[in-house]
Amino acid sequence: AQSVSQHNHHVILSEAASLELGCNYSYGGTVNLFWYVQYPGQHLQLLLKYFSGDPLVKGIKGFEAEFIKSKFSFNLRKPSVQWSDTAEYFCAVNTGGFKTIFGAGTRLFVKA
Amino acid sequence: GAVVSQHPSRVICKSGTSVKIECRSLDFQATTMFWYRQFPKQSLMLMATSNEGSKATYEQGVEKDKFLINHASLTLSTLTVTSAHPEDSSFYICSARGEINTEAFFGQGTRLTVV
Repeated sequence: AQSVSQHNHHVILSEAASLELGCNYSYGGTVNLFWYVQYPGQHLQLLLKYFSGDPLVKGIKGFEAEFIKSKFSFNLRKPSVQWSDTAEYFCAVNTGGFKTIFGAGTRLFVKA
Repeated sequence: GAVVSQHPSRVICKSGTSVKIECRSLDFQATTMFWYRQFPKQSLMLMATSNEGSKATYEQGVEKDKFLINHASLTLSTLTVTSAHPEDSSFYICSARGEINTEAFFGQGTRLTVV
């Protein structure tokens, strides 16, 4: 069965620190990849997505992610986090154009 | 991005009653809609996938007779929680997608509390 694994459940960083959140998936076919963010009390928002082309994808708010097909990974990065980045981040994989499966999520807390 | 509206945002119902949640795509035609359930401090768990005009495909462990999904039009899908029990209390989220290789857009979710 397809699955999405996020390695870090909780991350605490100071402002200006660099961020990298890991995401691996298990599926041998074509995938579309997403990172969503859920701020406290709000619904999911799309940060970035990968469908094809350049495996380095840039999203909103300074986030980027790199698709490494050989590693089945789609890690999220940001060079310098801000207090306002405190949220929960979900990696999601759409398999074969059909259903979208989410990882368990990573709670990020940025200290001011 | 496109807008998906979910209604109601909150509902409290008595144990044994049924509750219907609506999910509408406001500015695009949703070929496929997804229903998720999110427990506190946990991720979204896919419950079912529905394509317009077809029966929903349920994930393993999700009771199709308890969670009735209807996707009768390209802009509306409904989830009915039948004979609700307190353990059905949760946050239910829908998402909708147009073409097959495009992103899905999420509704704001419905917090269901069964008392």
